[in-house]
Amino acid sequence: DIQLTQSPSSVSASVGDRVTITCRASQDISRTLAWYRQIPGKAPNLLIYEASSLRIGVPSRFSGSGSGTDFTLTISSLQPEDFATYHCQQSNVSPLTFGGGTRVEIK
Amino acid sequence: EVQLVESGGGLVQPGGSLRLSCAASGFTFSSYWMTWVRQAPGKGLEWVANIMQDGSEKYYVDSVKGRFTISRDNAKNSLYLQMNSLRAEDTAVYYCVGAPNRYYFDYWGQGILVTVSS
Repeated sequence: DIQLTQSPSSVSASVGDRVTITCRASQDISRTLAWYRQIPGKAPNLLIYEASSLRIGVPSRFSGSGSGTDFTLTISSLQPEDFATYHCQQSNVSPLTFGGGTRVEIK
Repeated sequence: EVQLVESGGGLVQPGGSLRLSCAASGFTFSSYWMTWVRQAPGKGLEWVANIMQDGSEKYYVDSVKGRFTISRDNAKNSLYLQMNSLRAEDTAVYYCVGAPNRYYFDYWGQGILVTVSS
C-alpha cells in the first residue's frame, strides 16, 4: 500500500496567516492526489484534486502543487472556518489511502 | 441539494453483524461511483469499499475482504454495507460518499457511528 505522510501533524496560526501543509508519498503517484478539509464534528470536504485542480466552489485562497512524491497545500490567508483538519489522499494505486491528517489550530 | 443520509449504525458485539444504509438525493445516483469511508475515533480516514455505477465492479480494503459486502439499488437511490464478523477495530464513523469517478470523493454523508464492543 502507498503510505502518505503529512507534516506537520499540527500547526498553530492566526486569521490572515499563510499556512503550508505537505504530503509525502512512499512512491511516485504522479499527480493523483487530493486534499480535504474536515471541520470538527463534520464530514470531510473535497478542496483540490489532481494535485492542483480547485474543486468548483472552493475559495481561491486554497491552492495545491506537486507531483511524484511531494505535494503541498497552501492556504494564502487563513479564515475562521479553516481551523480544521486537512487530509491528503492518493488515487494512483488501490487501495486508495489517506494521510494521517494535519490539524490547523488557532494560535 | 445533494444529500447522503446514513442509517443502521449502533452498538454490536464482536462477531456480530450490522447493515448500513445510505439514502441519496439531489444528484443522479446511478451515474456515480459510491464508496464507504470510515474514521476510527481520533484517527485518520480509511477507504473501505466502493462500487461502480451499475454494481458490476466492487473493491474492498484487505482488512474487510470476506466480511463486508457493498451493494446498491439504483431504483431506490440507496447504498448498503453489510458488515459481518465485526471486530473491535471496525469501530468507527462510517461515511457514505459519492463521486463521478472512483478516484476522489465529492459528496459525503454526515456519517454514522458503529461501535463494536462487548
